[in-house]
Amino acid sequence: KQEVTQIPAALSVPEGENLVLNCSFTDSAIYNLQWFRQDPGKGLTSLLLIQSSQREQTSGRLNASLDKSSGRSTLYIAASQPGDSATYLCAVRTGGFKTIFGAGTRLFVKA
Amino acid sequence: DAGVIQSPRHEVTEMGQEVTLRCKPISGHNSLFWYRQTMMRGLELLIYFNNNVPIDDSGMPEDRFSAKMPNASFSTLKIQPSEPRDSAVYFCASSFRGGSYGGELFFGEGSRLTVL
Repeated sequence: KQEVTQIPAALSVPEGENLVLNCSFTDSAIYNLQWFRQDPGKGLTSLLLIQSSQREQTSGRLNASLDKSSGRSTLYIAASQPGDSATYLCAVRTGGFKTIFGAGTRLFVKA
Repeated sequence: DAGVIQSPRHEVTEMGQEVTLRCKPISGHNSLFWYRQTMMRGLELLIYFNNNVPIDDSGMPEDRFSAKMPNASFSTLKIQPSEPRDSAVYFCASSFRGGSYGGELFFGEGSRLTVL
């Protein structure tokens, strides 16, 4: 059974800091991995999608990497801003096309 | 594209009443997912459809829950009878699945259900 774990559960950083969010999964047989952002009381917004054959994806200040063999992904946020404050969720699409989510990392960027 | 559309956005009902949540996926998407989110359990996959056919409903908590997808542009999640522990935010999501390609998953804004 696929399990997805995100560390840390919460993170508080000063504005301008570069930071890394971690995601690990137990079964390396995945189709893709997707990072989402969720603001309080809102839906999930897709940030980056990495297919199983890819190693990383970049969008603006965000960079996500994928290491299937070790069951890990990282989301790197450069030059963090207060507007980046949100919960970040990692989701793994497995065989049968189930998508399983981690519990998320709650990020707070202080101005 | 209007994105995934869910209704109602908020629903307050009394225990024992029937609740129906609705979802319109993104046009052209052939996979649809229903999730439930609570503080205690996070995001849980309830059921998903591929080409309107239910593929896996192992996440549906009880027989009180049922989901249908009569066509490619509409799905419902029904709870009958509802109970206070069903209070949660219910999300619908859709994606395109082609062969071994797993498309990007897009979420609706969610339906916040409160059962009194």
